[in-house]
Amino acid sequence: DADVTQTPRNRITKTGKRIMLECSQTKGHDRMYWYRQDPGLGLRLIYYSFDVKDINKGEISDGYSVSRQAQAKFSLSLESAIPNQTALYFCATSDPGTSVYNEQFFGPGTRLTVL
Amino acid sequence: AQSVTQPDIHITVSEGASLELRCNYSYGATPYLFWYVQSPGQGLQLLLKYFSGDTLVQGIKGFEAEFKRSQSSFNLRKPSVHWSDAAEYFCAVGEGTGGFKTIFGAGTRLFVKA
Repeated sequence: DADVTQTPRNRITKTGKRIMLECSQTKGHDRMYWYRQDPGLGLRLIYYSFDVKDINKGEISDGYSVSRQAQAKFSLSLESAIPNQTALYFCATSDPGTSVYNEQFFGPGTRLTVL
Repeated sequence: AQSVTQPDIHITVSEGASLELRCNYSYGATPYLFWYVQSPGQGLQLLLKYFSGDTLVQGIKGFEAEFKRSQSSFNLRKPSVHWSDAAEYFCAVGEGTGGFKTIFGAGTRLFVKA
């Protein structure tokens, strides 16, 4: 079984709808991240969480919110989706306790299309 | 501000040929440097990483990268490319104490022709 899972894998929605993307991990890592990937822009950090009570904005947090329900779960919400939020979204985890290099482990991604 | 530049948006090489993907970074301190690979429909997988020590690092799948501080570069190489290497490759730099945030380059898409 995959260590980092994301649901759904694909989603098409309409402008103005509320959308939640979910991420679960079995790696036991404290740190979790949400990125979006756009062609030619690489990955950009939306939010990150160092533990359940520590949530931080990334470089492009506007229009997004997150919830860290447990160590293993980190959800990303789009309160009112807009077309320029169409992108590939990745969840990732890391555990600096075991790796000073902060290697990140990625889920398979969620492809979101906002019409 | 920290940044990562991958000058080549896409590269095409013949199967069996050598490969070099370029990466330049901007970072004031000793960087944590990474190369990740993204196969179609997949998440990113770490190929290799550098923090200190030997400037030539070996990774998985036969890849290696060389850190050159004077050139602010961390280029990825492979002596003989296989068709299964076709993917998108991301260079990244970790910032902050312990590298808790990672800045990614825009990626280089590798095409392999028979």
